[in-house]
Amino acid sequence: KNQVEQSPQSLIILEGKNCTLQCNYTVSPFSNLRWYKQDTGRGPVSLTIMTFSENTKSNGRYTATLDADTKQSSLHITASQLSDSASYICVVSDRGSTLGRLYFGRGTQLTVWP
Amino acid sequence: EADIYQTPRYLVIGTGKKITLECSQTMGHDKMYWYQQDPGMELHLIHYSYGVNSTEKGDLSSESTVSRIRTEHFPLTLESARPSHTSQYLCASSPTGGAEDTQYFGPGTRLTVL
Repeated sequence: KNQVEQSPQSLIILEGKNCTLQCNYTVSPFSNLRWYKQDTGRGPVSLTIMTFSENTKSNGRYTATLDADTKQSSLHITASQLSDSASYICVVSDRGSTLGRLYFGRGTQLTVWP
Repeated sequence: EADIYQTPRYLVIGTGKKITLECSQTMGHDKMYWYQQDPGMELHLIHYSYGVNSTEKGDLSSESTVSRIRTEHFPLTLESARPSHTSQYLCASSPTGGAEDTQYFGPGTRLTVL
């Protein structure tokens, strides 16, 4: 069964600190992996996307890594800001169907305190 | 920021009422999607469309129906709302020719059925 598991479920950090969120997946065949940020009451917004051949991708203070062999990804946030408080969702796409099915994790709820 | 809109943002209604959730995008995307998301849970695809007059059911069974008469408009209808329909509904779209998973999300409609 294709699945995406994220950890931790929730995380609280102080402003200015770094943190790393984890994503493990069993989706096969694998097409790409995307990290989304979802603010409370809003729709998800894409942060990074990585294909099989990419092992790191940065977007400002966000850096995603991918190990396609172990089927693991991480999202590292540097020098956190209050506006980083949100749910971070790992989404994996397969290429086994014409739809290119998306598999969503449940997200990690990040809270940044001043 | 993606030009995809959903109305209403919040809706509280009584059991048995008929409701329509609106979704519109101004990007000319052929592909559109409806997801259902409960708090702390992953997004579940309930409907999708590849273009005008094309609609398909997604992974999660839903009593809702959709229509796609115009490219930019993809409304979702519940003929008789029940408390079990209480959830957040997210609309998304993706461009033709792009990766299937390059989806842009609207802000969502939070539905509460009493």
